Amino acid sequence: GAVVSQHPSRVICKSGTSVKIECRSLDFQATTMFWYRQFPKQSLMLMATSNEGSKATYEQGVEKDKFLINHASLTLSTLTVTSAHPEDSSFYICSAPTGSTNTEAFFGQGTRLTVV
Amino acid sequence: GENVEQHPSTLSVQEGDSAVIKCTYSDSASNYFPWYKQELGKRPQLIIDIRSNVGEKKDQRIAVTLNKTAKHFSLHITETQPEDSAVYFCAAPDTGRRALTFGSGTRLQVQP
Repeated sequence: GAVVSQHPSRVICKSGTSVKIECRSLDFQATTMFWYRQFPKQSLMLMATSNEGSKATYEQGVEKDKFLINHASLTLSTLTVTSAHPEDSSFYICSAPTGSTNTEAFFGQGTRLTVV
Repeated sequence: GENVEQHPSTLSVQEGDSAVIKCTYSDSASNYFPWYKQELGKRPQLIIDIRSNVGEKKDQRIAVTLNKTAKHFSLHITETQPEDSAVYFCAAPDTGRRALTFGSGTRLQVQP
């Protein structure tokens, strides 16, 4: 089946620094990838939709200047958390749509971000 | 957009009992309804899904039922085992964006 690889799995950074998270589709091409955020004991909330070759689409309340998304190729999307603060600490996870109607999802392993 | 509600938020059962988790959705155009199991710190794992052209699907101890008229679908786990303990999420696609909208999750605890 389709494989989505996400790195790093864990990262600790200092307040004010930036962190880049990579999401790769290993055996298929993904023109679209989704980025979710999950706070402890909560559900997955869609942050943005990454579109290959065009600008990302952000959900209401998500700062596009803080969460930079780049989808420069058909197999790689990156999420950069800029000027990170402790409240950005969360589980970030990407997914790529697949299946006959492109509604099924393959998830990356997720990235646990801790900002200290 | 799609709105998915999930109940209960926590569920504790004795080993061997059945567990049922229910979800409702708002977008009548949705046609795909997956269920995910998530263990702490890990990605959601697809355990079963159903499409709108069928009313029920079963895979060993797990089954999903769908009522399109009422816009609700349910997960049924029979003969529960301690390793079934996890958080379960239902989801439905936002037909405008194709991203999945998730329910709030159910923490299932199976007591040995």
